[in-house]
Amino acid sequence: DTAVSQTPKYLVTQMGNDKSIKCEQNLGHDTMYWYKQDSKKFLKIMFSYNNKELIINETVPNRFSPKSPDKAHLNLHINSLELGDSAVYFCASSQGITGAFFGQGTRLTVV
Amino acid sequence: DQQVKQNSPSLSVQEGRISILNCDYTNSMFDYFLWYKKYPAEGPTFLISISSIKDKNEDGRFTVFLNKSAKHLSLHIVPSQPGDSAVYFCAATPFPGGSEKLVFGKGTKLTVNP
Repeated sequence: DTAVSQTPKYLVTQMGNDKSIKCEQNLGHDTMYWYKQDSKKFLKIMFSYNNKELIINETVPNRFSPKSPDKAHLNLHINSLELGDSAVYFCASSQGITGAFFGQGTRLTVV
Repeated sequence: DQQVKQNSPSLSVQEGRISILNCDYTNSMFDYFLWYKKYPAEGPTFLISISSIKDKNEDGRFTVFLNKSAKHLSLHIVPSQPGDSAVYFCAATPFPGGSEKLVFGKGTKLTVNP
């Protein structure tokens, strides 16, 4: 039973489109995250969110927006996709002092 | 501006030998350090962590050493096994539980040869 699951695993789309990546965690964690791993392999945090606070990495364009329908879900919406958005996006969750648990990643390719 | 650096992109060792993965950091505010392991097409998996109040933490075959004055940590895997072949990421944060402030290195790809 997967702890953090995200869909789809692969996403190929054209420039200018709007797309969403879904994430669900069944760990009961309070905080969820979105990370981006770019072509240089850096893993960088984009957002962290719990039921009290959304923390946005200031370098993230406002075309990216997280949406949380409930504590177990944090979806990532991306508007007007650009070529440079191509990357692997990881959802993660954590609770207290535990290390973050990651989903398997979504490889987004913008053509 | 790389606050967490893993200067070796890859490392190859023989099965049964020790693997030593290194990590340096520049931000003196970092107080809690983690190692993650990542297989292809999977997300990173938490492996082991260490707080700055310690200089060593051990979990089975995995030991992390922290030299705070040198801003350096290392992960030792003894004995190395072929299943350990993966990319290892070093990460740092200002405090335990500060996952929203996790900063990752670029990773080191470990290959353990049978």
